[in-house]
Amino acid sequence: DIQVTQSPSSLSASVGDRVTFSCRASQSISTYLNWYQQKPGKAPKLLIYAASSLQSGVPSRFSGSGSGTDFTLTISSLQPEDFATYYCQQSYSTPITFGQGTRLEIK
Amino acid sequence: QVQLVQSGAEVKKPGASVKVSCKASGDTFTNYYIHWVRQAPGQGPEWMGIINPGGYRMTYAPKFQGRVTMTRDTSTSTVYLQLSSLRSEDTAVYYCAGVSSAAAAGTPPDYWGQGTLVTVSS
Repeated sequence: DIQVTQSPSSLSASVGDRVTFSCRASQSISTYLNWYQQKPGKAPKLLIYAASSLQSGVPSRFSGSGSGTDFTLTISSLQPEDFATYYCQQSYSTPITFGQGTRLEIK
Repeated sequence: QVQLVQSGAEVKKPGASVKVSCKASGDTFTNYYIHWVRQAPGQGPEWMGIINPGGYRMTYAPKFQGRVTMTRDTSTSTVYLQLSSLRSEDTAVYYCAGVSSAAAAGTPPDYWGQGTLVTVSS
């Protein structure tokens, strides 16, 4: 199985900050890396697919980059509704695997 | 686009089986692959498997092989997840999630059901 490891496990930031989340795969996955946002009691919401493609309807302050084994999700200017947990997911091969998540908290 | 509505919460005893349904509406049901993902309390999501639009090809995560069965009924636009030999560690919210068959391979699901809580307890 391909392991995906996220860092940090939690992050404190303020409204208006620029924040970056990292995800590392245990082997090269090209650009088969996706990012989800999840709020308590809700299903995950797809933000970015194929490493850098913005899902329809997602604000442009979200962006993704990377290829191979190292990937980044960036929020350019945090909004109050962005405080949530973020997961990366590799879809290069089955079993599809998720990272353990980064919890974004209000400073 | 498709809307996915799942069946209600279940409480099961260890060793029993559970069958969760996921009913599609809004778009042609047979245009979508359906994934099943579960999430234990306080944990990250865990992928369980996928069923193809025709319902004749399934890929299961090795962890669940032998205990999981995914089926689909095109007449009712419903997909089912059955998990047998339940244990306490199977307590989780189970989600179905769809992705269009027209999407490129590896495209993640972008339509999710609301989730079904399955509690396994004696």
